[in-house]
Amino acid sequence: ETGVTQSPTHLIKTRGQQVTLRCSSQSGHNTVSWYQQALGQGPQFIFQYYREEENGRGNFPPRFSGLQFPNYSSELNVNALELDDSALYLCATSGELGNTGELFFGEGSRLTVL
Amino acid sequence: GEDVEQSLFLSVREGDSSVINCTYTDSSSTYLYWYKQEPGAGLQLLTYIFSNMDMKQDQRLTVLLNKKDKHLSLRIADTQTGDSAIYFCAESIKETYKYIFGTGTRLKVLA
Repeated sequence: ETGVTQSPTHLIKTRGQQVTLRCSSQSGHNTVSWYQQALGQGPQFIFQYYREEENGRGNFPPRFSGLQFPNYSSELNVNALELDDSALYLCATSGELGNTGELFFGEGSRLTVL
Repeated sequence: GEDVEQSLFLSVREGDSSVINCTYTDSSSTYLYWYKQEPGAGLQLLTYIFSNMDMKQDQRLTVLLNKKDKHLSLRIADTQTGDSAIYFCAESIKETYKYIFGTGTRLKVLA
């Protein structure tokens, strides 16, 4: 158990729709990162939030956006869904920068875009 | 550049040792990690090694790091059927929590 909870676990959307995925953070972990894992691939870094501000971003278009709340929970929003957005979306939390950098992953939200 | 490569598949017999290899390109990596992913699940941290170490042993797991060649390996001793999973190596980019993951090695353990 990592203490990271993601919702929903599975969802199906159609092209052009919007989706919001949620992640609740283990107590004391103020950094949250989101990763996209396409089928048969390793996770790809989307972005990271530290104390409610975006702290780094991977090669994803602006239609991927996020939020981190004062309780350190987080949302990933994807607008104008495309078929290639079908993937497992993983949330990972961690403590202060400078330690071992261990990420605690949730079980993921599996998004299917039809 | 940032790239982490792994072989895709490995098959071993129960009780044998497994060795999973990984090469990375970013020399500024602070830590290197091995994660395990079982079907339908998230990623579970197995072990990590600091970039200035050569070797780390943790029960059945041995991590070897050749920083000159940017090569990382994970050895699993006495491999069990429960070790069947996908194994990802990852490097952390200095002073961030951005991880670069490999494509994963699917380990199949034959009884």
